[in-house]
Amino acid sequence: DGGITQSPKYLFRKEGQNVTLSCEQNLNHDAMYWYRQDPGQGLRLIYYSQIVNDFQKGDIAEGYSVSREKKESFPLTVTSAQKNPTAFYLCASSPRRAGDEQYFGPGTRLTVT
Amino acid sequence: GDSVTQMEGPVTLSEEAFLTINCTYTATGYPSLFWYVQYPGEGLQLLLKATKADDKGSNKGFEATYRKETTSFHLEKGSVQVSDSAVYFCALSPLGQGGKLIFGQGTELSVKP
Repeated sequence: DGGITQSPKYLFRKEGQNVTLSCEQNLNHDAMYWYRQDPGQGLRLIYYSQIVNDFQKGDIAEGYSVSREKKESFPLTVTSAQKNPTAFYLCASSPRRAGDEQYFGPGTRLTVT
Repeated sequence: GDSVTQMEGPVTLSEEAFLTINCTYTATGYPSLFWYVQYPGEGLQLLLKATKADDKGSNKGFEATYRKETTSFHLEKGSVQVSDSAVYFCALSPLGQGGKLIFGQGTELSVKP
């Protein structure tokens, strides 16, 4: 089955620790995206990548980092510099052509205490 | 800049009631428009899309028509079911920005038996 996988589903960390969220796709899509979703709010774009070895900051990139070494993988690191890291994180991919829909993973709920 | 505005929720309806969720947008040219649905604790799923003016997207009894003159893409369903309870997001794909999407803030729908 083609799709996007995110792991783990739930993640717990202590304040001050960096944590990496996994996102893998086997749809052969060029573009991948990371969003943050807070309760009762919409999606905010963190980072996106339209091609391997290249990525751009979204609207709320501070305190986050990414890499895109392989077409199918786009991991997100939440660093200790992110002031309010507890949130639901969604990864998506698309063929990159304008007008194409994005395909979403199931999400990772991160709780930092 | 480009933006999407949705009616605020939550929207509470009885089963078999008619549903309308308003969505208006601001954008240059003719962006593609989308409706996504998110069930509790899950990622987003594409519900329907329209790529040009006067197009009607439809899926699972839901419909939305791309209205350029009113810059709107309202979601409708003639008879809702309890299983339609979810959060609905309207989104647009800005021209010239690859596969990026701009989302509205989401509208929560609750359908009571």
